[in-house]
Amino acid sequence: EAQVTQNPRYLITVTGKKLTVTCSQNMNHEYMSWYRQDPGLGLRQIYYSMNVEVTDKGDVPEGYKVSRKEKRNFPLILESPSPNQTSLYFCASGWGGPGYEQFFGPGTRLTVL
Amino acid sequence: SQQGEEDPQALSIQEGENATMNCSYKTSINNLQWYRQNSGRGLVHLILIRSNEREKHSGRLRVTLDTSKKSSSLLITASRAADTASYFCATDAGGGTSYGKLTFGQGTILTVHP
Repeated sequence: EAQVTQNPRYLITVTGKKLTVTCSQNMNHEYMSWYRQDPGLGLRQIYYSMNVEVTDKGDVPEGYKVSRKEKRNFPLILESPSPNQTSLYFCASGWGGPGYEQFFGPGTRLTVL
Repeated sequence: SQQGEEDPQALSIQEGENATMNCSYKTSINNLQWYRQNSGRGLVHLILIRSNEREKHSGRLRVTLDTSKKSSSLLITASRAADTASYFCATDAGGGTSYGKLTFGQGTILTVHP
């Protein structure tokens, strides 16, 4: 089944404890992206990747890191999480770039205490 | 800053009625997409309209795009209770500093009462 998977789905952590949210897609998509969703703010793009080893900042990259060593994986790293990073996070992938249909993962609900 | 802004923020209708949601954006775009999200779940792509298109249909969905007004509308005809969800527009601004970026609006919450 074609899908985007994220792990974990739910995570409660404490300020400053490094964490990684994994994202994997099995559709051979070139484009992958991370978003956060907060009430009243819609989805905001954190980072995106046009292809392996090519990543770039979205609109809200502060406090996040990403890597794209393989085409299928695009992990999101929070090296020192803070409470303002409490949010619902979505990974997405698509052919060719943002101008094509994006396939979204199920989301990761992160709480930073 | 947000590229797309949606109107209304919330819409409540009866089953069988039509639902219209609007999206406005600020800069020129390559295309505009509409997505649907059921409560807290991942977004699902509904339809994409390119900047050189004015109208597109898919089943009960009709999307229009007016690049001169920098706006789009999504019409859902003969709505069903199962259409209850949040709807988002997303814009791809193309090249320059926006290359690779996809910007979402804040969404319209649609409630369809049986």
